[in-house]
Amino acid sequence: QVQLQESGPGLVKPSETLSLTCSVSGGSINNYYWSWIRQPPGKGLEWIGYIYYSGSTNYNPSLKSRVTMSVDTSKNQFSLKLSSVTAADTAVYYCARRDGLGSYPYFNYWGQGNLVTVSS
Amino acid sequence: DIQMTQSPSSLSASVGDRVTISCRSSQSIRNYLNWFQQKPGKAPKLLMYAASSLQSGVPSRFSGSGSGTDFSLTISSLQPEDFATYYCQQSYTTPWTFGQGTKVEIK
Repeated sequence: QVQLQESGPGLVKPSETLSLTCSVSGGSINNYYWSWIRQPPGKGLEWIGYIYYSGSTNYNPSLKSRVTMSVDTSKNQFSLKLSSVTAADTAVYYCARRDGLGSYPYFNYWGQGNLVTVSS
Repeated sequence: DIQMTQSPSSLSASVGDRVTISCRSSQSIRNYLNWFQQKPGKAPKLLMYAASSLQSGVPSRFSGSGSGTDFSLTISSLQPEDFATYYCQQSYTTPWTFGQGTKVEIK
C-alpha cells in the first residue's frame, strides 16, 4: 500500500521560505506525477502544482512566482519550497499522487497533512 | 482558471436520507470531475472519478453523474459515517481547481 508522509517545520516566519518534503513508501516515485495541495484552516482546497518523477513541473499560476518543486528519486521523495510567505500561506499542506495516467487524472493517495503556520 | 461552484454549501440530513450535492463548472470540463470526502483533521478521500466511476472500496450508495458543466454526487441512504465535507474537483485542465465544499451535517 502506497503511503505518503509530509515533513517540515510547523512554523515559518513572514518573508521566509517554507520547505516541506514528502516521503513515499510502499511504491516507487517513478512514472508518477506528484502534487502539493493546501488547505487554509476552515477553508477549501487549493492545488499548488505537480512534479513528474523526471523533474518536469506544472505550477498554479497564482503561486508560480514563489513555488519550486524538486524530486529525489534515489530517496523516493519530493519537495516543495514556497518563498516570501505571509500569513495567507498558513495552511495544512498535503502531498498527493496523481493517478489515472493517460486517462482521467485524480488524487488517490494523500499524505496526512502538515500544518504550517506563518507567524513571527 | 475554471471555477467550480458547489451547492448547497451545507445541508442537514438524517440517517437514511437521500442526499444530492451539485457542482457546476464555469466552462465545460467534459467528465473530468472527481469527488472527495473529507472528515475533520483528515486528508480528503477519493470517492468518484471521471464523474461517475466509483473508486475501489467506496460503498455503492455513492453515485455520481453529469457531463459538461453540471454534475452531482448522490448518497442513496445516508449513513452515520457519511457526515463530512464533500468537494468536487476538475481535472480537465491545470490549474486543477476544487469546489468550495459542501458540509453534510446531522439533523
